[in-house]
Amino acid sequence: DVQLVESGGGLVPPGGSLRLSCAASGFSLTSYSMNWVRQAPGKGLEWISYMSHTNSPINYADSVMGRFTISRDDAKNSLYLQMDSLRVEDTAVYYCARDGGGRFDSWGQGSLVIVSS
Amino acid sequence: IHMTQSPSSVSASVGDRVTITCRASQDINIWLAWYQQKPGKAPKLLIYAASTLQRGVPSRFSGSGSGTDFTLTISSLQPEDFATYYCQQAESFPRTFGPGTKVDIK
Repeated sequence: DVQLVESGGGLVPPGGSLRLSCAASGFSLTSYSMNWVRQAPGKGLEWISYMSHTNSPINYADSVMGRFTISRDDAKNSLYLQMDSLRVEDTAVYYCARDGGGRFDSWGQGSLVIVSS
Repeated sequence: IHMTQSPSSVSASVGDRVTITCRASQDINIWLAWYQQKPGKAPKLLIYAASTLQRGVPSRFSGSGSGTDFTLTISSLQPEDFATYYCQQAESFPRTFGPGTKVDIK
């Protein structure tokens, strides 16, 4: 079975950094492209980053461009999101989601990031 | 590509037929997906390529449309269908979602 498990969320002050992890099982990240999607409390879904299974291309939403970096470790079959220069408005539940040709066909349970002083 | 949905919320009863519409700000062909999200849970893919039912999704869910106008229909609402529904365009980056439609109990 396909499974995605996020970790690494928590409370961080504005301007701080955090790295989210997404451990994949049941499939290989070298065969499927991946995404990060977030959801602010009480709000809708916002796509923030994509990484091709071939490592390129990589895409970001304007809201995180230059601050967030997507990467992966094939040996660990894990996806990462390095988040720097965090802002209060980055507070959200962050999901990793498998890309099935533009659609998100499997999702993790989510990891809560709170940016607050 | 900007996505809109209507209505923003709908109150319905078990057994009702519910229709949600989604509009894209430009032609996206059939590259549209629909998701269901329940409180505290991750979204679940229901339909992709505008009308293809994801494996395991009940047949009471259906999708239609192409270009800029799309529809999600629940033919006979069941208790487990009370949730928020989102459309998402898969035609280009950045991927964008509609604002969601909450289906609640009348």
